[in-house]
Amino acid sequence: GENVEQHPSTLSVQEGDSAVIKCTYSDSASNYFPWYKQELGKRPQLIIDIRSNVGEKKDQRIAVTLNKTAKHFSLHITETQPEDSAVYFCAAHPEGGGGADGLTFGKGTHLIIQP
Amino acid sequence: DGGITQSPKYLFRKEGQNVTLSCEQNLNHDAMYWYRQDPGQGLRLIYYSQIVNDFQKGDIAEGYSVSREKKESFPLTVTSAQKNPTAFYLCASSIEGARGANVLTFGAGSRLTVL
Repeated sequence: GENVEQHPSTLSVQEGDSAVIKCTYSDSASNYFPWYKQELGKRPQLIIDIRSNVGEKKDQRIAVTLNKTAKHFSLHITETQPEDSAVYFCAAHPEGGGGADGLTFGKGTHLIIQP
Repeated sequence: DGGITQSPKYLFRKEGQNVTLSCEQNLNHDAMYWYRQDPGQGLRLIYYSQIVNDFQKGDIAEGYSVSREKKESFPLTVTSAQKNPTAFYLCASSIEGARGANVLTFGAGSRLTVL
């Protein structure tokens, strides 16, 4: 099955700086890669996703890049703000684009924004 | 509240007892999932269901059981066979076979503590 590794487990950055979280996956058949944000005491929510037919996707201050050859993808947050503090999960889908057999998640990164 | 309702929010159980967690969605989603969240472990898939009266084991199904008698409902039973049931349980749903497939909508979670 798919295996997703996520690093770092904790990331502390100064407000206004950029944050980068990296994930690797094992199944070359995966082609859907979402990122979820979970604020303290709340449910995870999708913030951005990418499918394997593109290498990069941006949405305001967040972006995701994908390197299918190396089997890794990254989340980039620029101009970090206090409300970015949360746990972020990457995930991969072993079939991609369809099929409801569940995502495989990384273990999460606790992002701390220092004032 | 996001279209997915989980109950109860908090549950205490004595060792040896079975307990059932409720998950109801009014999003008309085809697929439903149960994930378990432990600190530092990310989200691990317990069971998933793509259609009514059908469900599949995820990565950590041992000690759990589910049913899918109605499209809106996907209850999870934590049995006495589950060795370490204390955890935070998240239910999710997604549209199957459409743009947006695999985008998960999560419930608010149920925290189970075994005394």
